[in-house]
Amino acid sequence: TQLLEQSPQFLSIQEGENLTVYCNSSSVFSSLQWYRQEPGEGPVLLVTVVTGGEVKKLKRLTFQFGDARKDSSLHITAAQTGDTGLYLCAGSNTGNQFYFGTGTSLTVIP
Amino acid sequence: ETGVTQTPRHLVMGMTNKKSLKCEQHLGHNAMYWYKQSAKKPLELMFVYSLEERVENNSVPSRFSPECPNSSHLFLHLHTLQPEDSALYLCASSQEVVGNSYEQYFGPGTRLTVT
Repeated sequence: TQLLEQSPQFLSIQEGENLTVYCNSSSVFSSLQWYRQEPGEGPVLLVTVVTGGEVKKLKRLTFQFGDARKDSSLHITAAQTGDTGLYLCAGSNTGNQFYFGTGTSLTVIP
Repeated sequence: ETGVTQTPRHLVMGMTNKKSLKCEQHLGHNAMYWYKQSAKKPLELMFVYSLEERVENNSVPSRFSPECPNSSHLFLHLHTLQPEDSALYLCASSQEVVGNSYEQYFGPGTRLTVT
């Protein structure tokens, strides 16, 4: 089983603060995705990273893929209440195989 | 809007009922998935279809029966479910991004309650 561990599991911060969420594995992935999920809805794809060391920015969100393609991080700058949700990472390899992380539940307090 | 739709969005059924969940993707993808998401648990992969053939079945009880009539449609037929089957059922489709790298797109889910 190619398990992805996310940390922290829960995070509660004030609006305007910065935060980082981590996704770690002992397995190598050809690509890694980050999703945000709101209660009662499906996960929404935020980004896909495919190259070791790759950094992608999506407005206030910065995603990094580890050099060895085993881990990733998501950094949010100046968090807003709209960032509240469950953040999931998922690694994929050859074929249509996806391995999901345990999730980080983020609450941004106004 | 994700391009993957699911119906119904909410379903309440008794343990003796038979119902079906429907998923449709409008993205031209060739792989589709069913996941189960229970409270405080990671996403559980149930079934994978690639080019309309089932390629993975993760030891799912036979009371769940998938059907993929074409690359755009996926069904999950339910019968004689148990209360512990109550969960959010998510459908997804995927495409290759570049060189064996894939990304998935999810539908909004069906919230199933078994009474």
